Amino acid sequence: QVQLVESGGGVVQPGRSLRLSCGVSGFSFSRYGMHWGRQAPGKGLEWVAVISDDGSNKDYADSVKGRFTISRDNSKNTLYLQMNSLRAEDTAVYYCARGIAAAGSLDSWGQGTLVTVSS
Amino acid sequence: DIQMTQSPSSLSASVGDRVTITCRASQSISSYLNWYQQKPGKAPKLLIYTASNLQSGVPSRFSGSGSGTDFTLTISSLQPEDFATYSCQQTYNSLTFGGGTKVEI
Repeated sequence: QVQLVESGGGVVQPGRSLRLSCGVSGFSFSRYGMHWGRQAPGKGLEWVAVISDDGSNKDYADSVKGRFTISRDNSKNTLYLQMNSLRAEDTAVYYCARGIAAAGSLDSWGQGTLVTVSS
Repeated sequence: DIQMTQSPSSLSASVGDRVTITCRASQSISSYLNWYQQKPGKAPKLLIYTASNLQSGVPSRFSGSGSGTDFTLTISSLQPEDFATYSCQQTYNSLTFGGGTKVEI
């Protein structure tokens, strides 16, 4: 059974940093590209970042480029999102998701972790 | 950047109704279009990939069509468990979601 479990969310002051983790099980983690997405309260989904199966390729949404870093540890079956210089507009539920390369679709998602940026 | 525009943003329907949701891309995206369903407090669920392919386990009352810039998601006979928000997503150039369509009773 495919499972993705996010952790690391919480309340953080503007300008500070936070690191999210996503532990996975039930599939061969090292064979899949992985994504982070987010959803601000009452808003639609927003894609945040993607990392290739071996970690060599990464891409980011313009809204987080230069501030967020996606990474992975295939030996630990864990995906990360390092978030620096956080802003109020980064407040959202953050989801990790498994990517299907051919279609670009996200076929399995975690339950999400809430990040609140507030002073 | 490719912008995705969904219409309507919300709709009211009854059980048994046929429901159609539209997604328009700001430029051609071939068939690189996916559809998701999301219920309150839950993660999104993949319904349709590459415009018209039904994800495993998704009921056959869901279908997708279109290519280029115009796409539709159709629910042939709305069921009580289908009341949710539906979002399209392009993967032709990076990834972008549409704003979502809330299907209400």
